[in-house]
Amino acid sequence: DTAVSQTPKYLVTQMGNDKSIKCEQNLGHDTMYWYKQDSKKFLKIMFSYNNKELIINETVPNRFSPKSPDKAHLNLHINSLELGDSAVYFCASSPIAGFTDTQYFGPGTRLTVL
Amino acid sequence: KNQVEQSPQSLIILEGKNCTLQCNYTVSPFSNLRWYKQDTGRGPVSLTIMTFSENTKSNGRYTATLDADTKQSSLHITASQLSDSASYICVGGGGADGLTFGKGTHLIIQP
Repeated sequence: DTAVSQTPKYLVTQMGNDKSIKCEQNLGHDTMYWYKQDSKKFLKIMFSYNNKELIINETVPNRFSPKSPDKAHLNLHINSLELGDSAVYFCASSPIAGFTDTQYFGPGTRLTVL
Repeated sequence: KNQVEQSPQSLIILEGKNCTLQCNYTVSPFSNLRWYKQDTGRGPVSLTIMTFSENTKSNGRYTATLDADTKQSSLHITASQLSDSASYICVGGGGADGLTFGKGTHLIIQP
């Protein structure tokens, strides 16, 4: 009965590799997000999708490409991984867009780039 | 630039005691103020959301207050339990940033 799930939970990879993180929500929400939590613990939004459409794209390198095959899934693909990409990535969802509703977060994916 | 600052950075209290965490925010235009609890190795979980017109909101032993004039919020935890050990994150909603997260207060409850 997990609300927002992410896979994998841990990801260790070499610089230059390409990797993907998957996210699924079973809450019936319209809006999904990707956040990055760096070593200083600040959470920063990366992307937001509403009904499979991109509505927020913060200043992230274009090596990061989100894909939403349907409104229950929002995957994150990262090309040419760099050391600075090491962080915990959180997927989240909310009933509607606009940052007025509660957001429900997944358990996070800890990415380590060697 | 929108900012959220929290204090203290970390706090250790004995089980059963009360504590209050502080948050100062600069978010414009301001829409709402949230508190999240983040257990180690887990995603944040929402505790409260207050709009600018609300002064207080409770969720069990957690009570959040909001003063929109001074741009301050607090989270009061009553009768702390070991399971309250976590990071508590204050989040300002509004503006182009959508949500601005604080760095969090790391709370440790000792038996």
